[in-house]
Amino acid sequence: EVQLVESGGGLVQPGRSLRLSCAASGFTFDDYAMHWVRQAPGKGLEWVSGISWNSGSIDYADSVKGRFTISRDNAKNSLYLQMNSLRAEDTALYYCARDLTPGDDAFDIWGQGTMVTVSS
Amino acid sequence: EMVMTQSPATLSVSPGERATLSCRASQSVNSNLAWYQQKPGQAPRLLIYGASTRATGIPARFSGSGSGTEFTLTISSLQSEDFAVYYCHQYNKWPRTFGQGTKVEIK
Repeated sequence: EVQLVESGGGLVQPGRSLRLSCAASGFTFDDYAMHWVRQAPGKGLEWVSGISWNSGSIDYADSVKGRFTISRDNAKNSLYLQMNSLRAEDTALYYCARDLTPGDDAFDIWGQGTMVTVSS
Repeated sequence: EMVMTQSPATLSVSPGERATLSCRASQSVNSNLAWYQQKPGQAPRLLIYGASTRATGIPARFSGSGSGTEFTLTISSLQSEDFAVYYCHQYNKWPRTFGQGTKVEIK
């Protein structure tokens, strides 16, 4: 079964750091670009960051640029998001998602998300 | 950054009726446009990609059209399970961007 499972969320104080992980299974992980998408409580979807299959292309939303770092370990079938200098507005459910095909594409597989709450 | 604008914000429809949702891009995304459905407490589900191709397992009552900057998602005859929030998403350029969503509610 094709599956993505996020972990690492929790309650963190403003200014602190958190590292999210996404474990992939059921498909050839290193064939696909991967992404992080977040959803603040009661709000819409916001693309956060994406990384190509070989980490050669990486991009971020302006709202997180300079604070968040995306990475992947193809040997471990895992995607990561290092989040530094966290702010209250980073509070959200964070999903990892896979491109439908190895090229740039829609997101066909989503995890169930991991919740990040930034509060003192 | 590509801005995606969805309309209306909320659509009130009776079961069995047709629903038409719109998505406009601030610049051309060619046909690199997807639609997702999200129900409360669930992850988004891919409905349409390539502007008009249904994803695996998506019923034929869902259809997408458009190219360039104007796109439409049509649900031909709304079923009870279709009441949800729908998002468009462009993947033509990075950064990827989503529309703000259209909530389809029961009239």
